[in-house]
Amino acid sequence: KQEVTQIPAALSVPEGENLVLNCSFTDSAIYNLQWFRQDPGKGLTSLLLIQSSQREQTSGRLNASLDKSSGRSTLYIAASQPGDSATYLCAVFTSGTYKYIFGTGTRLKVLA
Amino acid sequence: DTGVSQDPRHKITKRGQNVTFRCDPISEHNRLYWYRQTLGQGPEFLTYFQNEAQLEKSRLLSDRFSAERPKGSFSTLEIQRTEQGDSAMYLCASSLSGVGTGELFFGEGSRLTVL
Repeated sequence: KQEVTQIPAALSVPEGENLVLNCSFTDSAIYNLQWFRQDPGKGLTSLLLIQSSQREQTSGRLNASLDKSSGRSTLYIAASQPGDSATYLCAVFTSGTYKYIFGTGTRLKVLA
Repeated sequence: DTGVSQDPRHKITKRGQNVTFRCDPISEHNRLYWYRQTLGQGPEFLTYFQNEAQLEKSRLLSDRFSAERPKGSFSTLEIQRTEQGDSAMYLCASSLSGVGTGELFFGEGSRLTVL
C-alpha cells in the first residue's frame, strides 16, 4: 500500500531564501508524481507534474526532481516571496491503481 | 474551458439531512475523482470514474455515500443521513487517462458543515 510522507510539516523562512520541500513514497512503481499548492480554504492548484521517465521539471522559480529508486521527490523554490506562503502537497499515481495518493503537506510561511 | 467547477461551495446542514454536491470536470477529461479533506490533512481518495463507470471506491465511502456520473459528464456525490464526522472539504478533480498523461486538476471544493 502506497504511503506518502512530507517533511517538514511546517516551515517559516525570510523572504528571498531558497528552500527545499521533501516528499517520500514507499512504492517506487509510480506513473507520475505531482506537486500542488493549496491556499487556505481553497482547492489545489497544480504546480508541476513529473512523469516516471523524467528526472525533473521546472516552471519559473520552481524545480521538482524525482528519484524513483529511492522513493523521493524534492520541490525547490528559488528566491521565495510572501506570495509563496501556502501548503504544498505532493501526490503519487501508483502503477496498478487509478488514483493519486497524497501526503499531508508542508505549510510554508514566507516572512516579508 | 473554465476548469473544474463544484457546487455548492459551502453547505451547512443539520445532522441527519441529505446533501448532494455536483462537479463539472474539464470537458475533454474522461477521469473524475472525488476526494475528502479535513483540516491539516492531505486529500483522501473517495471514488473514481472513468467515463460513466465507477471503477474504484474507498473503504472510507460508507453505505451513506453514493456517487454517480451519468453519461460520463458531470458527477454528483450524495451523502445521506449526515453525521458530524462528515464535516470536511469535498474535492473533485479530473484528468485524461493514459500512461504518461494524467495531470490532475481540482475544483475549488465544496465545504460541508454538519451541525
